[in-house]
Amino acid sequence: EDQVTQSPEALRLQEGESSSLNCSYTVSGLRGLFWYRQDPGKGPEFLFTLYSAGEEKEKERLKATLTKKESFLHITAPKPEDSATYLCAVQASSSNYQLIWGAGTKLIIKP
Amino acid sequence: GAVVSQHPSWVICKSGTSVKIECRSLDFQATTMFWYRQFPKQSLMLMATSNEGSKATYEQGVEKDKFLINHASLTLSTLTVTSAHPEDSSFYICSALLLGENEAFFGQGTRLTVV
Repeated sequence: EDQVTQSPEALRLQEGESSSLNCSYTVSGLRGLFWYRQDPGKGPEFLFTLYSAGEEKEKERLKATLTKKESFLHITAPKPEDSATYLCAVQASSSNYQLIWGAGTKLIIKP
Repeated sequence: GAVVSQHPSWVICKSGTSVKIECRSLDFQATTMFWYRQFPKQSLMLMATSNEGSKATYEQGVEKDKFLINHASLTLSTLTVTSAHPEDSSFYICSALLLGENEAFFGQGTRLTVV
C-alpha cells in the first residue's frame, strides 16, 4: 500500500538553529515527491517537486533532497517566519495525479 | 507562479441549506482539479478528482449526492455542499493541476461552519 510518514510531528527550534524534517515513503512507482508549506487557516503553498533519487532543490533557507525511500527538508538558519506545517506528498506513476499525503511536521521557530 | 483562487474564504450557513464553493485557476488552464477536506490538526483528505467536461471521481466514503462537483471549464470547478449539517463543518480546499505538469497548486481554503 502506498504510504507517506513524516517525522517528527512537531519541531521547536531557536532562530538560527538548523535542522531537518523527514518524509519516508513507500509507493509503487514514484512519479514525484512534493513538499508544501501550510500556514494556519490557509491552503498549502507549493515548495518543491523531486522526481528521482539524488535530486536536490533549494529555495532560500530550504533544501529538499530525495533517496529511494525518503526525502529530507533541510532548513538552514531558520527565522520565525519559517514557522508553519510542512507537508510531504507523493504521486504514484499509476495514479490520476492524486497525491498521497503525510500528516505533516509542525515547525515552530522561536526568536 | 500559478494562482488558484477559492471563494468564499469562510461561510456560515444554517443546517439544511446548500453552500457553493468556487475554485478558479487565474493564470493557467487546469484539466484536473481536486477537492480536499481537512480536519483540525490533520492532513488533507481527498474527496474527489474533477476533470473538465466529465463527471467527478469520488473517493470511497464520500457521498456524491451530498458533495456536488461541477468542472464546466478549464479554469473553474465548484463544490456544492447540499443539505448541510453541522458535521459537514470543516476546512475545504481545492487544488488545480497545471496542464502538462505534475504540480498541483492550492486555493486558500474555505472554512465552512454549519449552525
